[in-house]
Amino acid sequence: GAVVSQHPSWVICKSGTSVKIECRSLDFQATTMFWYRQFPKQSLMLMATSNEGSKATYEQGVEKDKFLINHASLTLSTLTVTSAHPEDSSFYICSARFRGSYNEQFFGPGTRLTVL
Amino acid sequence: AQSVTQLGSHVSVSEGALVLLRCNYSSSVPPYLFWYVQYPNQGLQLLLKYTSAATLVKGINGFEAEFKKSETSFHLTKPSAHMSDAAEYFCAVIRHQTGANNLFFGTGTRLTVIP
Repeated sequence: GAVVSQHPSWVICKSGTSVKIECRSLDFQATTMFWYRQFPKQSLMLMATSNEGSKATYEQGVEKDKFLINHASLTLSTLTVTSAHPEDSSFYICSARFRGSYNEQFFGPGTRLTVL
Repeated sequence: AQSVTQLGSHVSVSEGALVLLRCNYSSSVPPYLFWYVQYPNQGLQLLLKYTSAATLVKGINGFEAEFKKSETSFHLTKPSAHMSDAAEYFCAVIRHQTGANNLFFGTGTRLTVIP
């Protein structure tokens, strides 16, 4: 149980285009979803936290107009990288938790974004 | 604020040898601590977690960790390394913030297992 999926698993796009990444909780209702980015050989950095039906809370230094997060339902959150540039190339990982999993997050498999 | 520090960005052990990955925490309140494993190009898998119950926590794949308040440590161990243990390991702590409790990750330790 507590499976989280991400789509796509990898994406290559041209500079200036926008890319949408989906994060789904497959067998539970996610009250909170988290988005992280991970640069090569580095740790995960939290980008934003989103609760279903409300605006995402962004970490300091993360541009909310560049990284649009939508948590429209209890099983789906999307991250849109707008006007992507090569420096946005990274590994993006989402996680989710449900009511009752207070301290534990369940992670998706990640999405590798390469911006040419 | 709560944080964790992982000592050693890279650890190499021989197959069959003891695995010891170090994690120290900083917290003014009883911490909730986690160890995750990440294989190349994959997400994170929970190995084990400490939530103020037993100080010796057993996880999956033969890993365990001991919470030592006096040393502010939560080191990860495995008696005998297997080739399949080669991966990146992250220690994490719940960071209590107004309106949310988020995970704060250490910088990670890459484990190499030598045949």
